[in-house]
Amino acid sequence: AQSVAQPEDQVNVAEGNPLTVKCTYSVSGNPYLFWYVQYPNRGLQFLLKYITGDNLVKGSYGFEAEFNKSQTSFHLKKPSALVSDSALYFCAVKRGSTLGRLYFGRGTQLTVWP
Amino acid sequence: DTEVTQTPKHLVMGMTNKKSLKCEQHMGHRAMYWYKQKAKKPPELMFVYSYEKLSINESVPSRFSPECPNSSLLNLHLHALQPEDSALYLCASSHLLDQETQYFGPGTRLLVL
Repeated sequence: AQSVAQPEDQVNVAEGNPLTVKCTYSVSGNPYLFWYVQYPNRGLQFLLKYITGDNLVKGSYGFEAEFNKSQTSFHLKKPSALVSDSALYFCAVKRGSTLGRLYFGRGTQLTVWP
Repeated sequence: DTEVTQTPKHLVMGMTNKKSLKCEQHMGHRAMYWYKQKAKKPPELMFVYSYEKLSINESVPSRFSPECPNSSLLNLHLHALQPEDSALYLCASSHLLDQETQYFGPGTRLLVL
């Protein structure tokens, strides 16, 4: 079975500090991993994905994520947080040959304090 | 251009009404999806269409009826809904390769009275 865990419901960080939003996954076979962000009353916005290759993936708005196969993790990071980064973040995993089935984590609310 | 559009943005309907949600994309994607999302929760997959044919129905009640008239359009017909069906309904699309990103629309906020 495929699953994604986001162990923190809430992450608080001061503006200018680095941020990390954690994600671990469980999937048979090679995973395709995604991060999405959702601002209030909006749809999900794609940030970045890992398919294969370099373990460090760079995405939109200065975000990056590191794929760690041994720890089955795909944590989202940003060196310097902005107040405008405050939003709900979802990690998702997809296994090859499973059309349409994105398995989402429960989401992590990121709040960046000025 | 990675835009998926959805109309209407907001919808209020009674339990006896019939209404439809519309989704459109012009990215040449051949897979389209409907999701339901409750507040502060992850999206839940409802339906998947590939090449305009229904591929996945996640045991959704028949009061929700999807339709894919062509490769750019996806509709969700609503009839006799319940108050617990109130949610944000998200449409998404992607290319059909397994690793392809799903791009989401802004959603329709539905309130059932």
